[in-house]
This record gives sequence, C-alpha cells and structure tokens, in this order.
Amino acid sequence: EVQLVESGGGLVQPGGSLRLSCEASGFTFSTYWMTWVRQAPGKGLEWVANIKQDGSEKNYVDSVKGRFTISRDNAKNSLYLQMNSLRPEDTAVYSCVRGRGIPDSWGQGTLVTVSS
Amino acid sequence: DIQMTQSPSSLSASVGDRVIITCRASQSISSYLNWYQQKPGKAPKLLIYAASSLQSGVPSRFSGRGSVTDFTLTISSLQPEDFATYYCQQTYSTPLTFGGGTKVEIK
Repeated sequence: EVQLVESGGGLVQPGGSLRLSCEASGFTFSTYWMTWVRQAPGKGLEWVANIKQDGSEKNYVDSVKGRFTISRDNAKNSLYLQMNSLRPEDTAVYSCVRGRGIPDSWGQGTLVTVSS
Repeated sequence: DIQMTQSPSSLSASVGDRVIITCRASQSISSYLNWYQQKPGKAPKLLIYAASSLQSGVPSRFSGRGSVTDFTLTISSLQPEDFATYYCQQTYSTPLTFGGGTKVEIK
C-alpha cells in the first residue's frame, strides 16, 4: 500500500523558516516524480513544486521561487520542502503527492501557519 | 502560466441526477487534464487522467471528455458518496495549475 506521511508543519512567524518532510513507503520512491501541493484554509488546491526522480529537475510556482527549495533523498525514501522567508499567505496544508502527470497518491498533509 | 477556469463554482443536485462540470484552459493543453474529487478533511482523489482515462478503482459513472482547451467531467447518476468538491488540473506545463473547484451539494 502506498503511504505518504508529511511532517514538520507548525506555527511560524512571518519571515521565519520551516522544513517539511514526507516519508514514502509501499512503492519504489526513486522511480517517481514527486510534488508538493498546498491548500489554504477553505480555499482550493495550489501546485507548489515538483522534482524529478534523480533530483536533476525542479520546478516551482512563481510565488515561492527563491524562497522554497524542494529536495529528495532516495536512500531515505523522503521528500523535503525547505521554506524560508515565510509569509502569511503561505498558510496552508502542504501535501506530498506521488507523480507528475498522473498524481495518483496524496498524503494527508501538514498544516503550516504563518502568523505573528 | 496556464489559467484553468471551472464552472459552475457550485451546484445543487439530487441523487440520480446527471451532473456535468466544465473546465476551460487559457491555452491549448492537448489532453493533459486530470480531475480530482475532494471530501472535507480528506486528501484529493484522482478520478480521471489524460482527460478521459478512468483511474483504477473509480466507478464507471465518472467520465471525462475533451481536448485542447475545453473539458468536461460527467457523473452519469449522482450517488450520495459523490457529494464533494471537484477540481481539474492541467499537467501540460509548469506550474501545473488547478481550477478553482466545483462544490456539488445535495438538493
């Protein structure tokens, strides 16, 4: 069974940093693109970033470019999102998703709240 | 960036109704279009990929059509478990944008 479990969310002040993690199991992690998607409270889905199987290609939505960094460790079956210079508008549930063109498995997400 | 526009933003329907949700892309995306269902407090579930391919395990009452810029998701006979919010997403080019969502409510 595919499992994606996010962690690392919490309350942070504007301008602060957080590092999200996603631990994957039940599939060969190193053979899949991986993606982060977020959802602000009561709002729709927003694609944030994705990363190729070997980490050689990374893509970001404009609103996080230069502030967020996606990475992965295939030996640890883990995906990461380093978030710096956080803003109140970054407040959302961040979910780890398997795949790029066919995102077929989603984690339950971790809540990030940016507030003073 | 490619903008995805869903309509309607919400609808009320009864069990057994045929429901159609539309999604329009701001430029051609070929057939790179997915549909998801999301229930409150739950992760989205992939229903349709590549515009018309039914994801494994998804009931056949769900179907998708379209290409280029205009797409539809049809629920042929609405069931109680189908009341949820539905999203489209283009996977043609990054950022892989989502539509704003369509909330399907009980009439």
